[in-house]
Amino acid sequence: EVQLVQSGAEVKKPGESLKISCKSSGYSFTSYWIGWVRQMPGKGLEWMGIIYPGDSDTRYSPSFQGQVTISADKSISTAYLQWNSLKASDTATYYCARQSGVVITTDFDYWGQGTLVSVSS
Amino acid sequence: SYELTQPPSVSVSPGQTARITCSGDALPKQYAYWYQQKPGQAPVLVIYKDNERPSGIPERFSGSSSGTTVTLTISGVQAEDEADYYCQSADISGTYVVFGGGTKLTVL
Repeated sequence: EVQLVQSGAEVKKPGESLKISCKSSGYSFTSYWIGWVRQMPGKGLEWMGIIYPGDSDTRYSPSFQGQVTISADKSISTAYLQWNSLKASDTATYYCARQSGVVITTDFDYWGQGTLVSVSS
Repeated sequence: SYELTQPPSVSVSPGQTARITCSGDALPKQYAYWYQQKPGQAPVLVIYKDNERPSGIPERFSGSSSGTTVTLTISGVQAEDEADYYCQSADISGTYVVFGGGTKLTVL
């Protein structure tokens, strides 16, 4: 059974750093793209970027380039989303999701449960 | 940047047909996908490659495509279908993934 299990909710202050995780199981982690999607409170889904764990090929949305870092550790089948300096506007639920095909333009067929990140002074 | 446009809301009575549209210039070249999201839950894929239905998704969900617009149709809407629906596709070059703004389906 394919599963993506994300790390728990975080409460941080502006300027702090953060790394959230997404652990995959039930399939070959290195053979599928893993993407990250932001959902701000009461708002829609936003594609942030994606990584192919097999070779660490990473793509970012222009809106998020330079704002976050996406990475993966093949040895533990885990993808990460990282901030160096959080802002209040980073408050959102972040989802990881597996892309079904070999290109990034395919659907997300499995999703993590979401990680709520709250940033407030 | 490339955008997909959806109506903010659609309302139907139980048993009627709901149609949710998604418009974008690259849709004739790129597949569209549809997700259902209920409050507090992760999105669930309901249509892929414009009109294919994943296993486990009820037959009342269908998709179609015409030019720069794709449509999610829910026939015989049930109360449990009340949710937010998002389309997803890509820009013309296939470099970026894009989501539509979402449509809130209300079952009256």
